[in-house]
Formats: sequence, structure tokens, C-alpha cells
Amino acid sequence: QKEVEQDPGPLSVPEGAIVSLNCTYSNSAFQYFMWYRQYSRKGPELLMYTYSSGNKEDGRFTAQVDKSSKYISLFIRDSQPSDSATYLCAFLNDYKLSFGAGTTVTVRA
Amino acid sequence: SAVISQKPSRDICQRGTSLTIQCQVDSQVTMMFWYRQQPGQSLTLIATANQGSEATYESGFVIDKFPISRPNLTFSTLTVSNMSPEDSSIYLCSVADTYDQPQHFGDGTRLSIL
Repeated sequence: QKEVEQDPGPLSVPEGAIVSLNCTYSNSAFQYFMWYRQYSRKGPELLMYTYSSGNKEDGRFTAQVDKSSKYISLFIRDSQPSDSATYLCAFLNDYKLSFGAGTTVTVRA
Repeated sequence: SAVISQKPSRDICQRGTSLTIQCQVDSQVTMMFWYRQQPGQSLTLIATANQGSEATYESGFVIDKFPISRPNLTFSTLTVSNMSPEDSSIYLCSVADTYDQPQHFGDGTRLSIL
């Protein structure tokens, strides 16, 4: 079993739709939970960072963590063409980041 | 967050040669890391660059193949030695203030080996 599993996608949605991204993990030692966005030919950019179960909102983005079930989600409301990118879930234990394989999202105008 | 610059942004190299990638940060940072992102795959940690001491390598990566320097708190280099086509990848550096803070990434170096 992989340490991190991310829904592979790709996803294609119309502008204004809600995008839902999911990851599951098996390592109970993961302490911090992150989502990164990666545009083509760019490095990953931190979107959301949390360490507790529950929801965290930042503008159109909501990160959800369920430690008991070992899954995390990212929701993007009112999606825009500029949200078209690859989204990576990431988990931090000590200094080590473990990444999901990424989900590529295309928002159609 | 810190501004991270990597050089070169891309290169095409001959097999058997070596290339040194530079990572420059606009402020002092405690922790610097090097990752590899192979085509269609996610990021894999190569090593942690420690200032004033040898780098700490992850399983599957060795110093002879990927020597790393960290002369100060704003700069690090990664060398990819004796390159083969399997080394074609994106190499990224990242930084963090402490072990429990999120890492921030440069835009990477896209390396192709012929």
C-alpha cells in the first residue's frame, strides 16, 4: 500500500463549478497537511496548510482533514480558468514531505 | 515567503557529463532541500542540505551521484554527476524556516540528457 494515494484525475469542469480533490494516507505519523498548486513549468506553490482535523477556509479554497479516516480534501468554489493547474497533496512528518502524484484540473471558460 | 531562484532553468546535456544546479534564496533560511520530479510523477526528496556539514541523503540517493554544497544560509548547489538518460527530470530546491513549517519551492531546473 502506498503511503499517499491521490485521486488521479484529470478533471475538467466548467467555469464556476466546485472542484473536489482528495487524498488518503496510511502513515499515522503525518503531522501537517498541505495542498500545493503547480502550474506548468513552475514549482509547487503552497495553497493550504493545516495540522488539525476539520475545515480551513481561505477565500475560494477549503481544506478538509479527517485524521480518523486518514483522508484530506481540497474544495475550490466558483472555479476560474486561472485555477487550471496540477494540485498536489502533501504530508509533513518531521522535516520530510510526502507528496501525492497530483491531480490535473482544467477549468473551461 | 522567501524568493527562491534556481539556475539554470533548463539544460540539455550529454551523457557522462555533470551539471551543477544553483539555488539562491533572498533571505536566510534554516533548512534547504533538493527534490526530483520525474515526468508524470510526483516529487521525491533527494537530500537535505545542511549548512556547515554534509548533506543528509534519502534512501536510493548517494553523495557520489548527487554531491551537495551549502556554504551559507542563502545558497546551495546540487550536482548531477555522470549523467545518463534516466537522470532526465526536473530538479527543485525548497526552503523552510523550521522542520514543522511548510516548504516553499523554486521553479526548478529542467534537465534532459541525450
